[in-house]
Amino acid sequence: EVQLVESGGGLVQPGGSLRLSCAASGFTFSSYWMNWVRQAPGKGLEWVANIKEDGSKKYYMDSVRGRFTISRDNAKNSLYLQMSSLRAEDTAVYYCARGYNGGMDYWGQGTLVTISS
Amino acid sequence: QSALTQPASVSGSPGQSITISCTGTSSDVGGYNYVSWYQQHPGKAPKLMIYEVSNRPSGVPDRFSGSKSGNTASLTISGLQAEDEADYYCSSYTSSSTPWVFGGGTKLTVL
Repeated sequence: EVQLVESGGGLVQPGGSLRLSCAASGFTFSSYWMNWVRQAPGKGLEWVANIKEDGSKKYYMDSVRGRFTISRDNAKNSLYLQMSSLRAEDTAVYYCARGYNGGMDYWGQGTLVTISS
Repeated sequence: QSALTQPASVSGSPGQSITISCTGTSSDVGGYNYVSWYQQHPGKAPKLMIYEVSNRPSGVPDRFSGSKSGNTASLTISGLQAEDEADYYCSSYTSSSTPWVFGGGTKLTVL
């Protein structure tokens, strides 16, 4: 059974940093693109970043490029999102999701990140 | 403002059919066949319903179908059931600096 479990969310002050993790199981992690998608409270989905199977290519949405870094450790079946210079507008539930033919076929349950003083 | 435009809400009675539109541009929906649709129930993670415009993942009922014409993609749900009541989001690959975008979401109410 495919499982994605996010962790690392919490309350952070503006300008702070946070590292999210996503533990994957039930599939060959190193064979799939992986994504981070976020959802602000009461709002819609917003794609954040993705990373190629071997980590050689990474893409970001405009508003996080230069502040967020996506990475993966295929030996540990884990995906990460290092977030810095956090802003109030980064407050959201962050989901990791497996890439599949231009879509995202498995999602975790999400981890809540709150940016507030 | 979302890059892809969806109606805020649609509704239908059990057994009826509804269609949700997703309008973009030639730089996203119209230019690529990487359009996908997601269902999200309150408090739950999204679920992939359609990928590559019209393909259904295994386990998704054939009541759900997808199509595209020009810059507009559509999700059709036939034989509406109470459990279909949820938010629906489209997504597309785009040639812009942000390579993947979602629509603003559509709330489906089953009357």
